[in-house]
Amino acid sequence: NAGVTQTPKFRILKIGQSMTLQCTQDMNHNYMYWYRQDPGMGLKLIYYSVGAGITDKGEVPNGYNVSRSTTEDFPLRLELAAPSQTSVYFCASSAVSNTEAFFGQGTRLTVV
Amino acid sequence: AQSVSQHNHHVILSEAASLELGCNYSYGGTVNLFWYVQYPGQHLQLLLKYFSEDPLVKGIKGFEAEFIKSKFSFNLRKPSVQWSDTAEYFCAVNARGYGGSQGNLIFGKGTKLSVKP
Repeated sequence: NAGVTQTPKFRILKIGQSMTLQCTQDMNHNYMYWYRQDPGMGLKLIYYSVGAGITDKGEVPNGYNVSRSTTEDFPLRLELAAPSQTSVYFCASSAVSNTEAFFGQGTRLTVV
Repeated sequence: AQSVSQHNHHVILSEAASLELGCNYSYGGTVNLFWYVQYPGQHLQLLLKYFSEDPLVKGIKGFEAEFIKSKFSFNLRKPSVQWSDTAEYFCAVNARGYGGSQGNLIFGKGTKLSVKP
């Protein structure tokens, strides 16, 4: 009963490097989300998806890209890492809109 | 645009004290409301949710919250806190039928609760 699984848990990147944060869920949820969490700022939505092949920008999409080729997977791509992207990233999923979201364990990313 | 305000940044209590964390939201229509908890180093977990049933909602671990529509509030309460309740608490709102990010939860900035043994 895995729920939402994120990898890696920790990562240090150099400025300008790229990486993909992986997220997979086994609950057959249509909706998936990427949030970033910064101290004292709560969670901000980066991108979301309402189903395979459909993605859209959230509140803070700049510097990120996503894809949703399957219902299970929703990777987040950082193309040119910047120090401002140092944060904790959470992937989440929900069955339908307006329902509770289930969160992954998070990825702590540091850009130096 | 929707927004969520949590009044307290950091609350420090002794064990057995009563807890009330404030949450106000801005949206005039029908809403779903949530409280999530994040224990140190862990992911967010759902404490309780309001989906248009009884305005007094019971959650896990003895927590409850009251939805007061006229005040746009959804305050979290617990009669007697324990050291294990030390965590960060997030209020979130999802406005039904709200244009834009479908199913998007708007989070408050969080309230850190420290319970002294």
